[in-house]
Amino acid sequence: TQLLEQSPQFLSIQEGENLTVYCNSSSVFSSLQWYRQEPGEGPVLLVTVVTGGEVKKLKRLTFQFGDARKDSSLHITAAQPGDTGLYLCAGNAGGTSYGKLTFGQGTILTVHP
Amino acid sequence: DVKVTQSSRYLVKRTGEKVFLECVQDMDHENMFWYRQDPGLGLRLIYFSYDVKMKEKGDIPEGYSVSREKKERFSLILESASTNQTSMYLCASSWGGANIQYFGAGTRLSVL
Repeated sequence: TQLLEQSPQFLSIQEGENLTVYCNSSSVFSSLQWYRQEPGEGPVLLVTVVTGGEVKKLKRLTFQFGDARKDSSLHITAAQPGDTGLYLCAGNAGGTSYGKLTFGQGTILTVHP
Repeated sequence: DVKVTQSSRYLVKRTGEKVFLECVQDMDHENMFWYRQDPGLGLRLIYFSYDVKMKEKGDIPEGYSVSREKKERFSLILESASTNQTSMYLCASSWGGANIQYFGAGTRLSVL
């Protein structure tokens, strides 16, 4: 079974600070995704990275896929209260996995005004 | 927009009851998934289905079963609910060859 270790589990920061969330595994993934979940809702996809070393930017969010496709990071610049939520990384093993995803434990981010 | 609808947002059941959680998607997706979400554990896959009447066990299938009689509908069944099945249950769907999953809003189940 592939595992994804996500850290930190909790982040509480002030508006304007920067932060990074990490997602690590000993397994190789064909792609890795980041989801954001707000209270009372299901996770919503933010980004998919598929190439080792790939960097994607979504406004103030920067996502990176490790060269070996075993790890990923999410960096938020100048966090805002609207960024508050649960962030989940999820990896896909590829092949005949029917799109199954392995999820990390999640990072609960709270951004204080 | 893709829509995944879970029939109930909140459910309260008694120990030993048979519980049905329903999920419907409107985008003709081949794959459907049931997860449970618990604090600090992320999403854990219970069962998934890649076609009508096809199902495969996920990581934590014990105490659960599923049914997929129609492509758009995937049901999760707790044969005899127990208190350790109190959790948030999330349904998701995806196209056959893709791994982007679209989630419902979840059902928070309490077993008393």
